[in-house]
Amino acid sequence: RKEVEQDPGPFNVPEGATVAFNCTYSNSASQSFFWYRQDCRKEPKLLMSVYSSGNEDGRFTAQLNRASQYISLLIRDSKLSDSATYLCVVNLGYGGFKTIFGAGTRLFVKA
Amino acid sequence: EAQVTQNPRYLITVTGKKLTVTCSQNMNHEYMSWYRQDPGLGLRQIYYSMNVEVTDKGDVPEGYKVSRKEKRNFPLILESPSPNQTSLYFCASSSQETQYFGPGTRLLVL
Repeated sequence: RKEVEQDPGPFNVPEGATVAFNCTYSNSASQSFFWYRQDCRKEPKLLMSVYSSGNEDGRFTAQLNRASQYISLLIRDSKLSDSATYLCVVNLGYGGFKTIFGAGTRLFVKA
Repeated sequence: EAQVTQNPRYLITVTGKKLTVTCSQNMNHEYMSWYRQDPGLGLRQIYYSMNVEVTDKGDVPEGYKVSRKEKRNFPLILESPSPNQTSLYFCASSSQETQYFGPGTRLLVL
């Protein structure tokens, strides 16, 4: 079983749609959680951190459920520019910044 | 401009020919890391460094070496590259938990 699992997609949605991505992690000792965005052939960039209390940034909402070891990302009112791969990231935190990436979920937003 | 730079950006080499990929950051970050990205597998951590002279293995360290003699530089060394090391490599740095990535190095080992 992978340490961080994501639905690979692709998700094909029309502009204006709401889309939700899910992610599960296996190590209960994980300390911190993030969503990164990666455009084709480019480097990953931080989208947002994820907290148990929830985190919202404009059209994006992230949520963490530690009991279920589950992380989510909700994108409202999708734009063409949201087309990218979304990476779920977990820091294990013990002994240093050991980081595990999910394989990513591909999103295509179409006009 | 705050950035992470990697060189070279593209490299084609042959099996067994030692190579070094350089990584440099100008943000005075303590933490640096190397990843490889392969289709269907996502990014996998090769090595990371908490500070100068402090390095540790990630998930896939076999066949790689690193050094951290200066805070700003974290080179990745392939002593004897093999075709299974053909990949896209990213260097990253961070001061806390947010990582800033370099533009990537595409390596092809023939």
